[in-house]
Amino acid sequence: EAGVAQSPRYKIIEKRQSVAFWCNPISGHATLYWYQQILGQGPKLLIQFQNNGVVDDSQLPKDRFSAERLKGVDSTLKIQPAKLEDSAVYLCASRNPGTSYEQYFGPGTRLTVT
Amino acid sequence: EDKVVQSPLSLVVHEGDTVTLNCSYEVTNFRSLLWYKQEKKAPTFLFMLTSSGIEKKSGRLSSILDKKELFSILNITATQTGDSAIYLCAVVGDYKLSFGAGTTVTVRA
Repeated sequence: EAGVAQSPRYKIIEKRQSVAFWCNPISGHATLYWYQQILGQGPKLLIQFQNNGVVDDSQLPKDRFSAERLKGVDSTLKIQPAKLEDSAVYLCASRNPGTSYEQYFGPGTRLTVT
Repeated sequence: EDKVVQSPLSLVVHEGDTVTLNCSYEVTNFRSLLWYKQEKKAPTFLFMLTSSGIEKKSGRLSSILDKKELFSILNITATQTGDSAIYLCAVVGDYKLSFGAGTTVTVRA
């Protein structure tokens, strides 16, 4: 079974620029999550999708962050404009809600904002 | 707001030592507690605990949950350098996963 795929793996941008991350979950996993993990902290949930609908985006900074999962499969997370404090690893995870609470994580995208 | 607190934040041990990591939580509608190991990449799943008092074991790792006192411990016996990682505790409440800050374990040869 293929795992969660993310790209790019690394990205360096200047503040005020925009950036987009892509995630392809495990096939058949209806639930998809985006997390932000700042160095030295645990992952923080940004947004949760169930198929193509948003379940929870309460911690997403909506003035600059947006995410979509139009066809209920892969997803993109965008930041526009980026700030220095957005430097973090962005993790995508997926889950099959019919089986377990376990989430499977992708390798992450390390974003550096200069 | 759900809260997950891990302790200690970091520790350094020597190979062969035993390590005990703590996780306490406050969460609405607790469903399960998960332990993950994170090296220089994405977290990998270790255990899921839903019932009190039942130890989960995998090789040298074991974990137990106390739902009355709202905590869990993760034990690693006979530590090896490959156990060096960040260990994350996460709690599921209302289908949302809330993570602690993690415990960084460094095992020296």
